[in-house]
Amino acid sequence: DAGITQSPRHKVTETGTPVTLRCHQTENHRYMYWYRQDPGHGLRLIHYSYGVKDTDKGEVSDGYSVSRSKTEDFLLTLESATSSQTSVYFCAISERESDTQYFGPGTRLTVL
Amino acid sequence: GQQVMQIPQYQHVQEGEDFTTYCNSSTTLSNIQWYKQRPGGHPVFLIQLVKSGEVKKQKRLTFQFGEAKKNSSLHITATQTTDVGTYFCAGRNTGFQKLVFGTGTRLLVSP
Repeated sequence: DAGITQSPRHKVTETGTPVTLRCHQTENHRYMYWYRQDPGHGLRLIHYSYGVKDTDKGEVSDGYSVSRSKTEDFLLTLESATSSQTSVYFCAISERESDTQYFGPGTRLTVL
Repeated sequence: GQQVMQIPQYQHVQEGEDFTTYCNSSTTLSNIQWYKQRPGGHPVFLIQLVKSGEVKKQKRLTFQFGEAKKNSSLHITATQTTDVGTYFCAGRNTGFQKLVFGTGTRLLVSP
């Protein structure tokens, strides 16, 4: 498996609280992605990064922000969590945009 | 926007039976990838198809890319319990380079 870790692995929080999920890679890959996985929807891209401080929106970016201050770290922030953001969040990396993506172990987030 | 649908959503087979999942895109794809996710795990890359009509095999798994590059299929011959999981296709269209994942097909294999 590629060197990708996500933290925390599980989190329960309340509506309206801020939440930050961390993705850390040791592969020095340029591209990093955040997806959410929900039953019946597959994996949907939230945000992605193509370099340090270079990020862009995916198809379901509303309510989420990201930051990448170092090659190895990509943070996903929910400024004010809502119950609709209850999901499993996966980070992925790739060396080039067209390459295979390698996924982290996932974070299960529950917003009550 | 681009949509990638997979059918069936779920299939339950007896060990030894064959299984096929189909992936259909609303737009022409430049390539398509397939991933497998074991229960409780993360998606793992299986293969990429690039050429129109391309067929690739990995042991009991056969992957096909349609002639029009808008559909793909994964066929498993003689399923085993180790095949259990969710299979996702993911495609890139020629204009939008981000991968768009299909909705997935969950496979359950009974011994």
